Amino acid sequence: EDKVVQSPLSLVVHEGDTVTLNCSYEVTNFRSLLWYKQEKKAPTFLFMLTSSGIEKKSGRLSSILDKKELSSILNITATQTGDSAIYLCVFHGSGNTGKLIFGQGTTLQVKP
Amino acid sequence: DAMVIQNPRYQVTQFGKPVTLSCSQTLNHNVMYWYQQKSSQAPKLLFHYYDKDFNNEADTPDNFQSRRPNTSFCFLDIRSPGLGDAAMYLCATSRGTSVSYEQYFGPGTRLTVT
Repeated sequence: EDKVVQSPLSLVVHEGDTVTLNCSYEVTNFRSLLWYKQEKKAPTFLFMLTSSGIEKKSGRLSSILDKKELSSILNITATQTGDSAIYLCVFHGSGNTGKLIFGQGTTLQVKP
Repeated sequence: DAMVIQNPRYQVTQFGKPVTLSCSQTLNHNVMYWYQQKSSQAPKLLFHYYDKDFNNEADTPDNFQSRRPNTSFCFLDIRSPGLGDAAMYLCATSRGTSVSYEQYFGPGTRLTVT
């Protein structure tokens, strides 16, 4: 069964800190890894990674996929209170249904 | 501009009383998904429609049904809600089911069962 494990489950930092969120996976047929941010509403898309070693960046956020280690990290530099959210590591399931398999999420709290 | 709209945002129903949740989209996407997210858990796919083709997940209870009368609208029907069905229900859409297509999520409907 496909499995996604995120760590840590929760994290509290202060504004300006840099954080690294981890995701490890066991997926039968890897096709892509996605990161979503969920505040008190629906998840919003951050990145999609399909190739190993490729770094995706958007402002202060960046993510790298390591297919050899079956893992990915999400980095946030110079954190702000607006970064407080649940960060979800997500995979496309086997088959061609578009089904997303979500990790349990890392809850990030950024204090002023 | 809202692209995936869910109504209502909050729904309270009684144990055993049928309830319908609504999702509409302005993206003209082919695929519409329904996810269930219980408290402190990750979202879990219930089923999806590719155009008019319904695709049920193997572990989705029979209590959950869906209808898609046209491209824009998709409904989630819970025939006899139990206390364990209290959750956030998320609707998502995408142009296709290929990994290259992003899924756009609605704001969710939080269902309470009393």
